[in-house]
Amino acid sequence: AQTVTQSQPEMSVQEAETVTLSCTYDTSENNYYLFWYKQPPSRQMILVIRQEAYKQQNATENRFSVNFQKAAKSFSLKISDSQLGDTAMYFCAFVPFNAGNNRKLIWGLGTSLAVNP
Amino acid sequence: KAGVTQTPRYLIKTRGQQVTLSCSPISGHRSVSWYQQTPGQGLQFLFEYFSETQRNKGNFPGRFSGRQFSNSRSEMNVSTLELGDSALYLCASSMGGGANVLTFGAGSRLTVL
Repeated sequence: AQTVTQSQPEMSVQEAETVTLSCTYDTSENNYYLFWYKQPPSRQMILVIRQEAYKQQNATENRFSVNFQKAAKSFSLKISDSQLGDTAMYFCAFVPFNAGNNRKLIWGLGTSLAVNP
Repeated sequence: KAGVTQTPRYLIKTRGQQVTLSCSPISGHRSVSWYQQTPGQGLQFLFEYFSETQRNKGNFPGRFSGRQFSNSRSEMNVSTLELGDSALYLCASSMGGGANVLTFGAGSRLTVL
């Protein structure tokens, strides 16, 4: 079975500091996509960053970057210069690449991140 | 550009009733996916519709059904509601190509009493 594990249910960080959220996954697929989504209290799920498994270079989006270790099946998210607006639930998700027809994302249970002033 | 719109935002039903939730995707998006989110189970895939056809289905009982209209709007229906159906139901739309980037709505919070 394909699974995604987020081992940190809750984390906190001081404003302006750096925090890393962990995610591991289990799959026998070779080609897939990995995602980090955030869900603030408003409930709107927002894409933070995406990584294609065939790309060795780690994805970055402004203050957000990932450390993708394919052999270890690890996909951690680093948030630099944390801001109060980063307070949210963060979900790691995975989907096998299947001719572009697969929307069945598999999700971790999330990490609740609190950014403290 | 308008986002994904889900209605209603909140609703309360009693056991045995049925409910219909609506999702209007981003203009031009042809794929609509539905997810159930609960604190214990997290997000679980319900089904996906593309061009009015169900393309993928998750492991939910037949009480959960959906459809998509020619304008890509989608509805999901849950019949004979059970207490365990209380959840946030999220709809997400995408272009339908290989990017697999989903844009989510704010969800419909269903409470079953």
